Amino acid sequence: NAGVMQNPRHLVRRRGQEARLRCSPMKGHSHVYWYRQLPEEGLKFMVYLQKENIIDESGMPKERFSAEFPKEGPSILRIQQVVRGDSAAYFCASSPIGRNEKLFFGSGTQLSVL
Amino acid sequence: ELKVEQNPLFLSMQEGKNYTIYCNYSTTSDRLYWYRQDPGKSLESLFVLLSNGAVKQEGRLMASLDTKARLSTLHITAAVHDLSATYFCAVDKTDYGQNFVFGPGTRLSVLP
Repeated sequence: NAGVMQNPRHLVRRRGQEARLRCSPMKGHSHVYWYRQLPEEGLKFMVYLQKENIIDESGMPKERFSAEFPKEGPSILRIQQVVRGDSAAYFCASSPIGRNEKLFFGSGTQLSVL
Repeated sequence: ELKVEQNPLFLSMQEGKNYTIYCNYSTTSDRLYWYRQDPGKSLESLFVLLSNGAVKQEGRLMASLDTKARLSTLHITAAVHDLSATYFCAVDKTDYGQNFVFGPGTRLSVLP
């Protein structure tokens, strides 16, 4: 049973470009979460999705950031017109149900904005 | 707003010694999680604590939860170098899903 798969592992973008981060949850998991980790800091919640629904996006910046989890295919975190402050590690996690279950984390995508 | 604090933030200890990492949180919650992260790696789940008084042990690590004091501890017994990592506690702030609020992490270095 493959774990949570994220790609790419590393992503380099220039200011103003778009970044697309992908996450395939573990088999049988229908809940996906995105977290951002700045250097030397803990993880900050961004968004919680179920298939075709955004459940909680309270941690996501209002502009430039969007997330989706379509019926088919991976979850996508999209950052438009990236700025240097977007440079961080972005982790995706999944869980089988919505409560009292630990999260299984992917290996993360390290985004570097030049 | 839920705040999660950890102390110490940095811990350097010798092999064979014991130590405790503390995790305090600011609002009522009965669900607390401990994770380990190695440099450049993802997070690995260590413990899930779901009730007041919960205690779980795995190898040289033992975690406990006191929901009344809003405190969790991660106790390390007879540390070994392989335990060197950053340890995060996380509190679930919602009644649905897992909107975790993570602590800042405790970076542990176990020296020979």
